[in-house]
Amino acid sequence: NAGVMQNPRHLVRRRGQEARLRCSPMKGHSHVYWYRQLPEEGLKFMVYLQKENIIDESGMPKERFSAEFPKEGPSILRIQQVVRGDSAAYFCASSSSRESYEQYFGPGTRLTVT
Amino acid sequence: QKEVEQDPGPLSVPEGAIVSLNCTYSNSAFQYFMWYRQYSRKGPELLMYTYSSGNKEDGRFTAQVDKSSKYISLFIRDSQPSDSATYLCAMSGGGSYIPTFGRGTSLIVHP
Repeated sequence: NAGVMQNPRHLVRRRGQEARLRCSPMKGHSHVYWYRQLPEEGLKFMVYLQKENIIDESGMPKERFSAEFPKEGPSILRIQQVVRGDSAAYFCASSSSRESYEQYFGPGTRLTVT
Repeated sequence: QKEVEQDPGPLSVPEGAIVSLNCTYSNSAFQYFMWYRQYSRKGPELLMYTYSSGNKEDGRFTAQVDKSSKYISLFIRDSQPSDSATYLCAMSGGGSYIPTFGRGTSLIVHP
């Protein structure tokens, strides 16, 4: 299966801990997008990355959140010192080019902060 | 006013009905319009896209864009219980390819 992979699928963290979410894009895709989905809300864009570059982080909270997409390995969304409000489903999507409207989504990571 | 408005539903219809799902938007720069289907606890799946105004048909699905009214629709013919899901509209344009999503409409097709 060459689809977008995300792990873990479920993650439970206590307040103040760190959460690391991983995303491997579809084979041949080098553009990765992270979204957050809260109950009763739609998908909210967080950050857009290409290999080794952050292209657009306009949707990323200014503090505690960071993202990377190294030359080798998956893209990682990192949330430091998690709070209860960070509980959500986090989706990663990938595309083949910057101009592509076709984004393919992974199954998501459901983060629960206790 | 949100950039993209979508009634969350739920919309409940009998099997075989024609379903109409809609979104309105405020940004006239949007040119690319997409519909995603999301099953419970899964990631969104791209169903259809259209560029600018007009209709596009794919099997039982028809996407329609009316840019003058800033209104888009997705029609599902002969709806099936397997169509039960949340349908998200999304759109982009004005120099950005990052889509703005509606909050999704929950559709329930009962046998």
